[in-house]
Parts: sequence; C-alpha cells; structure tokens
Amino acid sequence: QKEVEQNSGPLSVPEGAIASLNCTYSDRGSQSFFWYRQYSGKSPELIMSIYSNGDKEDGRFTAQLNKASQYVSLLIRDSQPSDSATYLCAVYNNNDMRFGAGTRLTVKP
Amino acid sequence: SQTIHQWPATLVQPVGSPLSLECTVEGTSNPNLYWYRQAAGRGLQLLFYSVGIGQISSEVPQNLSASRPQDRQFILSSKKLLLSDSGFYLCAWRKSGYYNEQFFGPGTRLTVL
Repeated sequence: QKEVEQNSGPLSVPEGAIASLNCTYSDRGSQSFFWYRQYSGKSPELIMSIYSNGDKEDGRFTAQLNKASQYVSLLIRDSQPSDSATYLCAVYNNNDMRFGAGTRLTVKP
Repeated sequence: SQTIHQWPATLVQPVGSPLSLECTVEGTSNPNLYWYRQAAGRGLQLLFYSVGIGQISSEVPQNLSASRPQDRQFILSSKKLLLSDSGFYLCAWRKSGYYNEQFFGPGTRLTVL
C-alpha cells in the first residue's frame, strides 16, 4: 500500500511566524512531489512542486525534499491569516498520484 | 491558458436517483483527466482516470462510472446513488511531460439524502 502521511493538525501559529508542515511517503519510486492549499469548501490549489533533493523557494514558501528519508516539508515564512487552510501533500509515481489527508493550519492575528 | 470547468457546483439528490457530473478543460489538448472524491474531513480518493478518448481506468469498485466522449470532456455517472456517494467531487487535469502537475476544477458538492 502506497501511503502518504501527514499530521492532521490543527497546527496553530501566530501571524508573522514560520509554519512548518511535514509529510512522509512510502513509495521509494516516487518521482514528483507537490503541496496543495485547500481553503474550506474550495478545491485544492497547487502552490509548490519539487522534483529533486534539496530546497525550492517561491516567495514565502519553501519546499524541502529528502528522498533518502522519504520526507517532504513545506515552510511558510511570515505566516498570514490568509494562509489559514488545509495543506495537502501529494506524491506522484507512474501516473499514480497519492494525497495525504492534509494538515489544517490556523494563523492567528 | 488552461481552464477547467465543472458543473453543477452543488447537487442534492435522493438515494436511488441517477447522477451525471461533467468536467471540461480548455486551452490544452489530449490531457490526462481524473475524477477524485473527497469525503468530509477526509483525503482525496482517486476514482477514475483517462489518458484519452474512450480510455477509462477505474481505481475502486463502486456504483460509479466514467466516460470520456470527447478529448476535453470527462463525465462521472451513476445509475443509482447511495448515501455513501455524498462528498466533494473534483475533476483534475495533468500536464503531460516530466512535471506531472495536476490542476483541479472548482468541484461539485453532492449530498445524497
């Protein structure tokens, strides 16, 4: 069974802090890794993609990938109340995309 | 740019009634298309995917079916809905090539009573 695991949260951080979201996966053959943001009642929105080990930065977001440890993370710097949402980790291998159940993040003003 | 549409946005149906949900993609050709279901507070469950017209792969056995009558149209159907079919139905398309990114439509919220 190919699993993608995330802490369900809720994760609560104060405005301006760094939010750290973590994800582990079981399929060692996984090729591509994604983070989606899902606001309540809305569909998931792709916010980050990462394909090789290391860090990838895009604005306030940094994705980190460690294939040896089968671990993906998302850091959100200078967290804003508008970042409050559920964040889904997704892992792709050979036309099979697996999603974690998501981590609910709350950023308090 | 590419756009994905789903309709209807919300639907309330009685148990035993039929279902038809539609998804269309604009601005791309020969996309891979996907149907997912998200139950309340749960993760995304892949139901069907299609790599081309008339080509459907089913991921889970259930009373749902899918069809792809045109290149950019994907339809999810049921002959008789069950209470357990309630959920948020999401259509997605995938870029071809290395990056494998999937993009979701706005979704259809289905309540079966």
